[in-house]
Amino acid sequence: AQSVTQPDIHITVSEGASLELRCNYSYGATPYLFWYVQSPGQGLQLLLKYFSGDTLVQGIKGFEAEFKRSQSSFNLRKPSVHWSDAAEYFCAVGARTDSWGKLQFGAGTQVVVTP
Amino acid sequence: DTGVSQDPRHKITKRGQNVTFRCDPISEHNRLYWYRQTLGQGPEFLTYFQNEAQLEKSRLLSDRFSAERPKGSFSTLEIQRTEQGDSAMYLCASSRQSSYNSPLHFGNGTRLTVT
Repeated sequence: AQSVTQPDIHITVSEGASLELRCNYSYGATPYLFWYVQSPGQGLQLLLKYFSGDTLVQGIKGFEAEFKRSQSSFNLRKPSVHWSDAAEYFCAVGARTDSWGKLQFGAGTQVVVTP
Repeated sequence: DTGVSQDPRHKITKRGQNVTFRCDPISEHNRLYWYRQTLGQGPEFLTYFQNEAQLEKSRLLSDRFSAERPKGSFSTLEIQRTEQGDSAMYLCASSRQSSYNSPLHFGNGTRLTVT
């Protein structure tokens, strides 16, 4: 069965510290991979995406993610978090077909940033 | 680009009532998606349109749910005989059809509470 797993439901990080959010997927073939961020009461904003090529992907707001085929992982990182990074983060996968927009999301990781 | 607009932002209804939500996509986007997000979970795909054609519906979409996009522009999602389990955030997203490189743009959602 296809699945997207975000093992950490909740992460607390100090402002200025580094952040890594984990994402593992189970899929028939390597899917398209995405990270979205959601602030309270808001929709989702795309941080970055992986389709092919370089396995280290740069996104907005200083985020990057690394695709590791052997581990079926697509972990999100940021070297130094800002208070404004407090939000919920979702990993998502989409099939490499014309219906790629039918995304399957993980359950999310809530990030709390402390002073 | 005015973004994806959803109306209303919040809806409180009594069990058994019908509700309708509206989504206005980004004007040049011919694909429109509906997702549902319950508390503590990632969004789940419900259905999507290409222009006015509804291309796919999730098994999550029971017979009480119907979505339309009559002129290929805005879309409506109707829930008949609402149940408490329908309480969720309903998210709309749009994209260009042919380009997986054009990501989904999400609206801010309609939060439905069924009492």
